[in-house]
Amino acid sequence: DSGVTQTPKHLITATGQRVTLRCSPRSGDLSVYWYQQSLDQGLQFLIQYYNGEERAKGNILERFSAQQFPDLHSELNLSSLELGDSALYFCASSVGSGGEQFFGPGTRLTVL
Amino acid sequence: DAKTTQPTSMDCAEGRAANLPCNHSTISGNEYVYWYRQIHSQGPQYIIHGLKNNETNEMASLIITEDRKSSTLILPHATLRDTAVYYCIVPNSFGNEKLTFGTGTRLTIIP
Repeated sequence: DSGVTQTPKHLITATGQRVTLRCSPRSGDLSVYWYQQSLDQGLQFLIQYYNGEERAKGNILERFSAQQFPDLHSELNLSSLELGDSALYFCASSVGSGGEQFFGPGTRLTVL
Repeated sequence: DAKTTQPTSMDCAEGRAANLPCNHSTISGNEYVYWYRQIHSQGPQYIIHGLKNNETNEMASLIITEDRKSSTLILPHATLRDTAVYYCIVPNSFGNEKLTFGTGTRLTIIP
């Protein structure tokens, strides 16, 4: 158990819909990272927040957005969902910005 | 991130040491080598990292060559639970905000 929690574990929705994935980092960690893992793309970095501020951005689609709240939990919002958004979404956290990252169990999103 | 090269797959007998190589010939002087693994769709798990000296923790040992162009992750007594995809990652010098996971090495532990 890494100490990072993600909800929900599974999510099934339809194309065009909007969903929110939630992540609680390990106690004391200030950074939260989001990754997407699909069958054809592998694990890809989406975005990082550090102490409430966006710190780094990967190939995150404009339909996707994230934020980190004052209590340091983070949410990833996915809108206008497409079939290709079906994937595992992982959240990770670290103490600072950089250093080893600890991953949650992931949310499996299925878009029908 | 510095590019890394790993074998696609490896087998190792249960109870033996598993040695996983990684080439990172373009690594810069202040860049660390990190190893993670992913067990079948679970979240990736941090294993170990190092700069230039060999490192050991409760999970594994990391041997980095003197020129730092390659490294080897050693699992001293592999068990079936070590079957996973292992990723060698060299993040950029300014912090590893963007962990770039390549294809890694699929390690299969044989009973």
